[in-house]
Amino acid sequence: EVQLLESGGGLVPPGGSLRLSCAASGFALSDYGMSWLRQAPGKGLQFVSLTTANGGILQYSDSVKGRFTISRDISKNTLFLQMNSLRAEDTAIYYCAKWRGAQSIFDVWGQGALVTVSS
Amino acid sequence: DIQLTQSPSSLSASVGDRVTITCRASQTITRWLNWYQQRPGEVPKLLIYTTSNLQSGVPIRFSGSGSGTDFTLTISSLQPEDFATYYCQQSSGKPTFGQGTKVEI
Repeated sequence: EVQLLESGGGLVPPGGSLRLSCAASGFALSDYGMSWLRQAPGKGLQFVSLTTANGGILQYSDSVKGRFTISRDISKNTLFLQMNSLRAEDTAIYYCAKWRGAQSIFDVWGQGALVTVSS
Repeated sequence: DIQLTQSPSSLSASVGDRVTITCRASQTITRWLNWYQQRPGEVPKLLIYTTSNLQSGVPIRFSGSGSGTDFTLTISSLQPEDFATYYCQQSSGKPTFGQGTKVEI
């Protein structure tokens, strides 16, 4: 069964850093693109970042470009999101999702990790 | 970035009703439009991809249509488990989502 499990969320002050992890099971990260999306409390869905299966293409939303970095550890089958210079508006549930590149769709989602940026 | 505008933002309906949600793109996206369902307290779930293709396991009461800039999601006969928020997402450029449509009783 394909599963994604996020971890690493928590409370961080403005300007701080946090690293989210997403452990994948049931498939190999090296075979699929992966992405991060987020949802602020009571709000809609927002694309954050994605990486293609071979890691050759990385995309970021304008709101996080230069502050967030997506990466993978293929040996651990784990996806990461390094978040620096965090702002209050980054407060959200962060989901990792498997990305089906041919149609550019997010077909499997993790349960999410809550990130709260507050002093 | 391509902007997506959904209408209505919310609607009230009853079990058995036919429900239609529209999604308009700020520029043509041919057929690169997908739909997700998010029930309260749950993770988003892919329903339809590339305008009209049903994701595996999704009931056939859900259907999608459109092309260019205008798209629709139709639920032919609303069931209790369909009360949720629906999002469109374009996959023509960097992914973006509509603001959501809440379907409630």
